[in-house]
Amino acid sequence: DAGITQSPRYKITETGRQVTLMCHQTWSHSYMFWYRQDLGHGLRLIYYSAAADITDKGEVPDGYVVSRSKTENFPLTLESATRSQTSVYFCASSGPVSGRKGSYNEQFFGPGTRLTVL
Amino acid sequence: GEDVEQSLFLSVREGDSSVINCTYTDSSSTYLYWYKQEPGAGLQLLTYIFSNMDMKQDQRLTVLLNKKDKHLSLRIADTQTGDSAIYFCAETSSSASKIIFGSGTRLSIRP
Repeated sequence: DAGITQSPRYKITETGRQVTLMCHQTWSHSYMFWYRQDLGHGLRLIYYSAAADITDKGEVPDGYVVSRSKTENFPLTLESATRSQTSVYFCASSGPVSGRKGSYNEQFFGPGTRLTVL
Repeated sequence: GEDVEQSLFLSVREGDSSVINCTYTDSSSTYLYWYKQEPGAGLQLLTYIFSNMDMKQDQRLTVLLNKKDKHLSLRIADTQTGDSAIYFCAETSSSASKIIFGSGTRLSIRP
């Protein structure tokens, strides 16, 4: 599929289990991002990556691990899931887009993964 | 650090204009964005404005930028039920590929 995809779309797991959320983009964008969206908090950045093998912490990285061995993939792993990690997770990639007054960066979002930790 | 703030809720009558406001702190912002999130979906770019502009119009959408006050607004004329969504204000500086998002404004339309 062209664009940015996430899998699974829905996941239910138990406290303490490891969970990996997948993200794949077909544009070869350098930058990729993971956000979580919770009521009252908007979007919070978990981790981002500027290129393959380069990752950096965002606002709420604790309890999460990322890797980026290939430009097109950016998996997010919850090493030992907790109830507080119940959320909707969005992956995004960012690339330059040509506008009338020059290029600008646009973030393209995946459809989200709804994760429930029991 | 950079911060983007917007009110959480807005309710308007169908056919009226909606105005969603946003303030930001980064004086080096180059582009400011409005993203729309419909229920069950990811965010999609609605419109953007370059920091040296003060207004941009695109059909029913009007973006106003007051750079001195670091205030951005999105006006939706003739609001329809299909405009019900969460609207996110966002900004980026030319030196970064990170985009800073506000917490989103949930727009609800009443008949």
